[in-house]
Amino acid sequence: GDSVTQMEGPVTLSEEAFLTINCTYTATGYPSLFWYVQYPGEGLQLLLKATKADDKGSNKGFEATYRKETTSFHLEKGSVQVSDSAVYFCALSNDYKLSFGAGTTVTVRA
Amino acid sequence: EADIYQTPRYLVIGTGKKITLECSQTMGHDKMYWYQQDPGMELHLIHYSYGVNSTEKGDLSSESTVSRIRTEHFPLTLESARPSHTSQYLCASSDGGLRGEQYFGPGTRLTVT
Repeated sequence: GDSVTQMEGPVTLSEEAFLTINCTYTATGYPSLFWYVQYPGEGLQLLLKATKADDKGSNKGFEATYRKETTSFHLEKGSVQVSDSAVYFCALSNDYKLSFGAGTTVTVRA
Repeated sequence: EADIYQTPRYLVIGTGKKITLECSQTMGHDKMYWYQQDPGMELHLIHYSYGVNSTEKGDLSSESTVSRIRTEHFPLTLESARPSHTSQYLCASSDGGLRGEQYFGPGTRLTVT
């Protein structure tokens, strides 16, 4: 079945540092790929998405590229802020369902 | 952007009580989902619905039940709450694409004492 593996945390960074969270997937067919973000006490918010190979999703300074050859969708941000502290989930959508990674907790210190 | 609502946001209840967690969406989405999540941890699909009068169990076994009598409403019921049900419950909906994104509500944090 479909599955997502993402880098385990927690990750602690200083403000303005570079952030990368690795995500790889296993799926049949051609899934869509997503990054969701969850702030404390809230539900999940869609951060960005890509629907086909070589697509780049971007939002709020975050980027991720759908790499079919390496089955990866790594999340990057060049300069993080304290407000980026959250849990980040990589996910794929196939057959009307989402498969999630385990989540990566990111803490950014001032 | 989808509007999806969950009530209550927080609930503390004693063992053995019957509870219903409410979920409503205003976007007319056919597909709706319930997930169980320990705070900051992986999400587990417990129920889903592809339309009115359609409900299915998810990947994680759950003692809860759901109903879908109206498109916009997808309540989850626990007949007899137990401490093992303590968790966060997230509701989501989708506009129906085979590989579309889901939109999440704010969640209900349930504590059973």
